[in-house]
Amino acid sequence: KAGVTQTPRYLIKTRGQQVTLSCSPISGHRSVSWYQQTPGQGLQFLFEYFSETQRNKGNFPGRFSGRQFSNSRSEMNVSTLELGDSALYLCASSPDPGQGASNTEAFFGQGTRLTVV
Amino acid sequence: AQKITQTQPGMFVQEKEAVTLDCTYDTSDQSYGLFWYKQPSSGEMIFLIYQGSYDEQNATEGRYSLNFQKARKSANLVISASQLGDSAMYFCAMRDRNNNDMRFGAGTRLTVKP
Repeated sequence: KAGVTQTPRYLIKTRGQQVTLSCSPISGHRSVSWYQQTPGQGLQFLFEYFSETQRNKGNFPGRFSGRQFSNSRSEMNVSTLELGDSALYLCASSPDPGQGASNTEAFFGQGTRLTVV
Repeated sequence: AQKITQTQPGMFVQEKEAVTLDCTYDTSDQSYGLFWYKQPSSGEMIFLIYQGSYDEQNATEGRYSLNFQKARKSANLVISASQLGDSAMYFCAMRDRNNNDMRFGAGTRLTVKP
């Protein structure tokens, strides 16, 4: 079974631009979560999608958005990039944990390293 | 709200020795899962071990074991017989019924010395 695939692996953008990152989950997994990892803030939860619906959201400004397609692939978009958006963006997929399930591990991709200059 | 605390920013251990990485958590839910992940310099998060809140025995996976003390809300990772390849960041994480998403601690950087 193929793992979680994130594209691109590396990206350099200029302040003010927008960027779209892609995540293909493990086949059969319907839950996709996004995390931002920076040296100063650690791993911070962005949002989670399940069956094309955003089910949970972290504390990020509206410049960060996402969506999920019918095949469970997900994209996240950051508009009006700021220098502080430079980070490793990790995507994780899970089999349907179901609302209230707590025992499902998350499988991570290798991440997209975004640099904003 | 969930909260995961890892108080050791960095740890050193001699090769072949055991090391314990600390993790405490806070949740109002009775049903939750605790996870440990390893992140090498390549960036990918690798799942190591899982402990359910209702599991009576401590979880073990090869050289990894989880010292689960529910009353203290701690879930420490024990790595036995450390190897040079164990040098990495280690993250404790939790998923509970109230929040389907997985939340992470700040991580501990483990360095194994030859």
